[in-house]
Amino acid sequence: EPEVTQTPSHQVTQMGQEVILRCVPISNHLYFYWYRQILGQKVEFLVSFYNNEISEKSEIFDDQFSVERPDGSNFTLKIRSTKLEDSAMYFCASGTWTLDTFGSGTRLTVV
Amino acid sequence: AQTVTQSQPEMSVQEAETVTLSCTYDTSESDYYLFWYKQPPSRQMILVIRQEAYKQQNATENRFSVNFQKAAKSFSLKISDSQLGDAAMYFCAYRIFTSGGSNYKLTFGKGTLLTVNP
Repeated sequence: EPEVTQTPSHQVTQMGQEVILRCVPISNHLYFYWYRQILGQKVEFLVSFYNNEISEKSEIFDDQFSVERPDGSNFTLKIRSTKLEDSAMYFCASGTWTLDTFGSGTRLTVV
Repeated sequence: AQTVTQSQPEMSVQEAETVTLSCTYDTSESDYYLFWYKQPPSRQMILVIRQEAYKQQNATENRFSVNFQKAAKSFSLKISDSQLGDAAMYFCAYRIFTSGGSNYKLTFGKGTLLTVNP
């Protein structure tokens, strides 16, 4: 069964550093998403990506965040200058109109 | 604002018994999908069951079934013959469906932590 692959599974970074979270979506999917889950809280939408551009972003997705699909397969989330409050689980998902597949997540710890 | 409410932060059930998790949602849209996701301690998001709003028949997947009440905007999950492996956080979510749209994001509730007692 096709999978969404996220790397790394866990990343520890110092406050103020840039991090790039990587995702390989399912190849025939057209819609791509990043979600965030702070420990013990609900899953929150960050950004959606369709047809090589952002289709919607949430209030959380400020200027520190960016997404790219650099080579038509990988889908990355960059945080330019990490803050302590960026510590969370970040999920990539890809999907169709009706159904998404989630990756296993990247646990980001900012120290 | 479009919201999902899960009023039970925690639930417990005895192994082999049945448990029902509640979910209500608020949307003015008429076309949408509803989902239950399971998140075990590994924190992976696993789809449990999906319901199309235009279908009156309640979805069923093996031991998992839903009670979808569109007028009441209620979408509860019933787990029959509970197993130890069912212990997890369960999230209710919905997605608005717009034909030809560019974004089908999910809106999640806060989750219900289910404990299964042997």
